[in-house]
Amino acid sequence: DADVTQTPRNRITKTGKRIMLECSQTKGHDRMYWYRQDPGLGLRLIYYSFDVKDINKGEISDGYSVSRQAQAKFSLSLESAIPNQTALYFCATSDLVRGNTGELFFGEGSRLTVL
Amino acid sequence: DQQVKQNSPSLSVQEGRISILNCDYTNSMFDYFLWYKKYPAEGPTFLISISSIKDKNEDGRFTVFLNKSAKHLSLHIVPSQPGDSAVYFCAASAGGSTLGRLYFGRGTQLTVWP
Repeated sequence: DADVTQTPRNRITKTGKRIMLECSQTKGHDRMYWYRQDPGLGLRLIYYSFDVKDINKGEISDGYSVSRQAQAKFSLSLESAIPNQTALYFCATSDLVRGNTGELFFGEGSRLTVL
Repeated sequence: DQQVKQNSPSLSVQEGRISILNCDYTNSMFDYFLWYKKYPAEGPTFLISISSIKDKNEDGRFTVFLNKSAKHLSLHIVPSQPGDSAVYFCAASAGGSTLGRLYFGRGTQLTVWP
């Protein structure tokens, strides 16, 4: 089983719908992240959380919100999806000890299509 | 404005030859650099890293070189194998309040042909 699990893996939705992407991890890491990948644009940080009570905006947080329900769970919400949010979304984790190296462990990705 | 740049979107190399992937950065506060590899339908996986106090780090067929004065790093794969075909992302991290936050380049698609 994957250490970092994302659900759903694929989702097609319509403009204006609310969407939630969920991430859970069994690595016991404190830090969790949501990234977005678009063709030719690499990985861009949406939100990150260094512990359960900590939420921080990344480079492209507009139109997104997150919830850190527990150390192991970090969900990403699109309150009203729009077509330019069509992308591949990755959840990632890192631990406090390794945090100063920045090494991240990624989930397998959630492909979201907004029509 | 992108702080980590990979200016070559693709690279094609024959099996057995050397692959050299390049990365440039603009932020002088970056003190740790990483390379990630990504296969289709999978998440990125960590490949190799280097601290700013070093100029070279080697792990098997993979070597990363860092030139701080030029704000440039490169990943060398020798010899290249078809299984190395993937997208390679360069990433950088700074200390202080952004500890643990990575900045990624746009990636380079490496194709190794037989």
